[in-house]
Amino acid sequence: QKEVEQNSGPLSVPEGAIASLNCTYSDRVSQSFFWYRQYSGKSPELIMSIYSNGDKEDGRFTAQLNKASQYVSLLIRDSQPSDSATYLCAGDMNRDDKIIFGKGTRLHILP
Amino acid sequence: ETGVTQSPTHLIKTRGQQVTLRCSSQSGHNTVSWYQQALGQGPQFIFQYYREEENGRGNFPPRFSGLQFPNYSSELNVNALELDDSALYLCASSLGDNLYEQYFGPGTRLTVT
Repeated sequence: QKEVEQNSGPLSVPEGAIASLNCTYSDRVSQSFFWYRQYSGKSPELIMSIYSNGDKEDGRFTAQLNKASQYVSLLIRDSQPSDSATYLCAGDMNRDDKIIFGKGTRLHILP
Repeated sequence: ETGVTQSPTHLIKTRGQQVTLRCSSQSGHNTVSWYQQALGQGPQFIFQYYREEENGRGNFPPRFSGLQFPNYSSELNVNALELDDSALYLCASSLGDNLYEQYFGPGTRLTVT
């Protein structure tokens, strides 16, 4: 199993709906997780970090971490066309100061 | 804007040549990480510098090397370029005690022909 895995998509969601992005991780990944948004041709932008089991909300974004099942998700409420981007899930490696990224999920919000 | 800058924006090199990419960190950030992002992939960790010392390295050969300067700006050097080195090279800065909240620069697109 790769350290951080994501479905590459594309995931198509109607405007105004909830977009749900998922990520699973291996035992080699520690308990700090990050979601980055990357527009085509641009660099990744940090949008959420989560360190504890449970939910963390920030505006329209909610990150969820389930340590028992080893998955982390990002929910985007009231999806907007401007949310169309690739979403990268990342985690830090156990006993190693580096971040491992998944391949990213392409999200397409349909107007 | 994150305050992290990179130069050049684009670069075309020939196989076997050497290249130096530059990064200027966000003010106050003393840690810089470099990543390689191939098309359709997530960023791959190359190495990290903290206060001018290498602080971790990914699975990249020794021809990938780096430097961090006292003002926390940084360089990535790649020798003996190969076609597979064509990618977007990203640097990200962070504050030492919050290592994982990284802010990326705009990247350098390297094409090796």
